[in-house]
Formats: sequence, structure tokens, C-alpha cells
Amino acid sequence: NAGVTQTPKFQVLKTGQSMTLQCAQDMNHEYMSWYRQDPGMGLRLIHYSVGAGITDQGEVPNGYNVSRSTTEDFPLRLLSAAPSQTSVYFCASSRSRDRLEAFFGQGTRLTVV
Amino acid sequence: EDQVTQSPEALRLQEGESSSLNCSYTVSGLRGLFWYRQDPGKGPEFLFTLYSAGEEKEKERLKATLTKKESFLHITAPKPEDSATYLCAVHASGGSYIPTFGRGTSLIVHP
Repeated sequence: NAGVTQTPKFQVLKTGQSMTLQCAQDMNHEYMSWYRQDPGMGLRLIHYSVGAGITDQGEVPNGYNVSRSTTEDFPLRLLSAAPSQTSVYFCASSRSRDRLEAFFGQGTRLTVV
Repeated sequence: EDQVTQSPEALRLQEGESSSLNCSYTVSGLRGLFWYRQDPGKGPEFLFTLYSAGEEKEKERLKATLTKKESFLHITAPKPEDSATYLCAVHASGGSYIPTFGRGTSLIVHP
């Protein structure tokens, strides 16, 4: 099993550009989520999904969209990039509601200039 | 509002010098407390889940314990390869899936 795979690993965007961060898992986990990690702060949840076709907002959802058309894939879209979105982004999956331990991807380091 | 506070922020140990990391939490009802290890430039790696006060989990040199207000990650006779940032997170009971993470403890073990 590859686990959770994120692409790209690094990205530089100009302010106002849009892009999609890809995330895929091959563990048949129900839950998938996106976090951002900033210096001096804990991981913060952006959006999450409890199953295909179901998404919900996390702690910091503004400026981001998600969709979950399949169990395996959970892309994160930045609609109009802003410097405040410069961060490291992690995708994670969890088996189920009763098994919430998260398995994380390797991260995407995004810089918005 | 759920809160997680980890201490110390940073810890330097000599190889073989045992110590403990603390995770204090405030949550309306605890569904689970999670420990992760994060190496530089990598995603967090799951270590333990604790569900109720009095529970303990062990893995190699690590042992996690839980009370109603805090969790400890005990590191016995650490080695340089144990150097990493250790993260604590809580999930509250109820319908929300949103976890609360602490800021982490950066551990450096010197040979």
C-alpha cells in the first residue's frame, strides 16, 4: 500500500492564481481531511469528508474548496491564492468514525508571492 | 472551546536520559487522544490512541498514559533516532470531527 499520496510536493503561485492539490489514499478509509501547518501553530483542519459525496468545513475553510467523488481521492482547490495561504498542506485519511487515528501524506509546501 | 497545550516546547536530552512530554487538554467530552511523531519535512506519523483515563500504550521506548486532564509521553533511554517533534491531538465526543492539535514538543537527543 502506498498510503496517502499528495502532489505536488512544492508549488509557487502568484497572488490570484488558482490551483488544485491532489490527494489519494489506497487504504479504503472512509474519512479524508486537509490540514495546514504554520510555524508556531498546531495543525488546523481546512475541510474534511466522511465519505464519497459528503464534505464539510473545518476550522479554516475560507478560500478553499473540496469535493469527494470517489473514496480514494480528495482534491483541495485554492480559488484565488493569497499570501496568507502560504503554508504546508497535509492530506490525511482515517479508517472510520470509531478509528480516527490519521494517516498523513508527505505534505505540499505552497508559497504564494 | 477545546484546547490542547503541550510542554515543554523544546527538550534536549542526552542519549539514555529518560524524560516525559506533557499534553494538557480541555474538552467537553473526550472521544480520543492521539500522539503523533513528525520528522522535519515529513507528515505526522501516528503513534498511539488513548480513549479513557488510566489507559496506557507502549511501543519500543515510548509509553503514553492518560488522565482526565492530561497525557504523558514517556521516553525511556532515548536514542538520537527518537529526535522529532511530537504532536498531541484530541477529538471531542459529539458530532464534530474537527480535532484540536497542540503545537508540539521538539525533542533532540544528543549522542
